[in-house]
Amino acid sequence: GNSVTQMEGPVTLSEEAFLTINCTYTATGYPSLFWYVQYPGEGLQLLLKATKADDKGSNKGFEATYRKETTSFHLEKGSVQVSDSAVYFCALSGYSSASKIIFGSGTRLSIRP
Amino acid sequence: SQTIHQWPATLVQPVGSPLSLECTVEGTSNPNLYWYRQAAGRGLQLLFYSVGIGQISSEVPQNLSASRPQDRQFILSSKKLLLSDSGFYLCASGQVNYGYTFGSGTRLTVV
Repeated sequence: GNSVTQMEGPVTLSEEAFLTINCTYTATGYPSLFWYVQYPGEGLQLLLKATKADDKGSNKGFEATYRKETTSFHLEKGSVQVSDSAVYFCALSGYSSASKIIFGSGTRLSIRP
Repeated sequence: SQTIHQWPATLVQPVGSPLSLECTVEGTSNPNLYWYRQAAGRGLQLLFYSVGIGQISSEVPQNLSASRPQDRQFILSSKKLLLSDSGFYLCASGQVNYGYTFGSGTRLTVV
C-alpha cells in the first residue's frame, strides 16, 4: 500500500541555516505530494504541493520537487527563521476520489536565534 | 476557500463520560470530511471519513463513532471515554488531489 517515510526529528538549526527535511514515498500510480506545517497548539496548514513528476511546489521560501525517479519530495529552505519552528508533515494522496491523504510521522523543527 | 470550525478547543473529561465533538465547514458544499487523532508527539491517525450525508467509513476499530447529520456537519462521539482516547482531534475537509483544509483542533484529556 501507499506509505510515506520522513526523517525523524527533532531537527535543531541556527537562524539563517539551510534546511532539508527528507521525505520518500511508496505509491502505485501517480500520487499528489504535499507538505503540511503545524505550529504549536494549532491544526495543520497546507504549505505546498506538487501533483506530477518534476513539479516544484513553493511557498514562504520553502520548496520541494516531486522526484519520481527517487520517489522523493524533500523540503528545503535556504535561510530559516525562528518563526519556522514547527512540526512538518510530508503526505501523499492516491488517485481516486475515495482515497485518503496519507501522512508521514512528522518532523519537529526548532530554530535557535 | 473553505473554513473549518471545531469546538471546543480544549476539553477535560472523566473516564466513562460521553463525548461529542463538532466540526462544521463553510465555503463549500458536499465536502469530503475527515476526523484525525494526533497522540502527543506522534503523527496523524485517520479515524473516520465521510463522502456524504449519512456515509461514514471507519479506518480503525475503536471506542469512537462518527456521524454526518448535515452536509457540512461532522460529529465525533463516544458513549464512554477511555484514558487512551486522550489526544488532539482534527477535522479536515477537501479533495485528495488538492490537499485538505484543517480545523484548529480539540485537545481532549481524559482523566
